[in-house]
This record gives sequence, structure tokens and C-alpha cells, in this order.
Amino acid sequence: GENVEQHPSTLSVQEGDSAVIKCTYSDSASNYFPWYKQELGKRPQLIIDIRSNVGEKKDQRIAVTLNKTAKHFSLHITETQPEDSAVYFCAARSALTGGGNKLTFGTGTQLKVEL
Amino acid sequence: NAGVTQTPKFRILKIGQSMTLQCTQDMNHNYMYWYRQDPGMGLKLIYYSVGAGITDKGEVPNGYNVSRSTTEDFPLRLELAAPSQTSVYFCASSYDTEAFFGQGTRLTVV
Repeated sequence: GENVEQHPSTLSVQEGDSAVIKCTYSDSASNYFPWYKQELGKRPQLIIDIRSNVGEKKDQRIAVTLNKTAKHFSLHITETQPEDSAVYFCAARSALTGGGNKLTFGTGTQLKVEL
Repeated sequence: NAGVTQTPKFRILKIGQSMTLQCTQDMNHNYMYWYRQDPGMGLKLIYYSVGAGITDKGEVPNGYNVSRSTTEDFPLRLELAAPSQTSVYFCASSYDTEAFFGQGTRLTVV
């Protein structure tokens, strides 16, 4: 089955700096890669996603890049703000039929934006 | 706009007790999932369903059971609670790509 590894597990940045979180996946059949943000005590919520036919996607301060050859994808947050502090999860979904549309998640990155 | 609703939000169980975590969604999604979240371990898939009457095991199904009699509901059953089942449980649903999560159930087994 799919295996997703995520690094780093914790990341501390100064307000206004950029933050980068990296993930690798094992299943070359995976075709959808979302990123979820989870604030303390809350549910995970989708912030950005990318499909395998696209190399990069951007939404305001957030961008995701995908390298299918190397099987890795990254989340980039620019001009970080205190409200960006949260746990971020990457995930991957296999394109295999009968796969149930399942997402396999990374272990999460605790991002702390310091004033 | 309710989305995915889970009950209860918190529960303390004694070892060996049983309980059902309820999950319902009003978005007419075919796909539904149960995940557990342990500190530093991300979200692990317990069971999933691709539609009413169809369920299948995820990564960590031992000690759990599910049913899907309707499109809306996907309850998770713990038959003999064990301390290893102390966790936060999330139900989710999806139509195609984005998974929508419920607010979670924090379960403690003592």
C-alpha cells in the first residue's frame, strides 16, 4: 500500500519568513495530493491540493509543488503569520480502481510562527 | 450546512466496555471513512465505505467494526475497549477529491 513520509515534524519560523514542508510517497499510481491544516482541538481542513498532471499550484500565500519522477511534493507558505501556526498534514491518494478513494496521510508538521 | 457530524465529542470507557461512535453526513457523499489520530502519528485509516452496503478494512481495523446501511450514516463500533484504543477519532466523507472531516471524538479507555 501507499506510504507517505513527512518532514520536518516541527518547524519554527519568524513572522514574515517562509516555511517549507516536504513529503514523499511510495505508490507511483497516486494521482492526488492534498494538504490539510489542523488547528489545536479542531478538525483537519483542506488548504490546497494538486493533481498529478500539474507540477505547481498557488493560492495567495500558499503553494504546492509536485515532482512525480522523484515522488515528492512540498508545501510552501510565504510571509508567514501567527495564524498559520498549526499542524499540517500531507496526503496521497492512489489512482488504483477499487481503492476506495482512500487518503494516506503523513505524520504531520507542527508549524510555529513566532512574533 | 451541517456537513459531517460526529457524536459524542468526548467519552471515557472502562476496559471491556462497548460503544458506538456515530457519524452522519448530509452532502450525499458516497465515500466515508473512519480515522484515528494519535500524537505524532498522523491519521490512520480504520475502515472505509464506497457506498451503502459496502465496507472495507483500512490500515488499523482490529478491535473495530462498521456498517453502512444508508448513504448518510457510518457508525463505528468498539466491542471490547482496550487502553490502546485511547485516541481521537475522525469521521470523514468525500465525493471525489476533498475529504470533509467531522469535529472528532476524544475517547479515553481506562
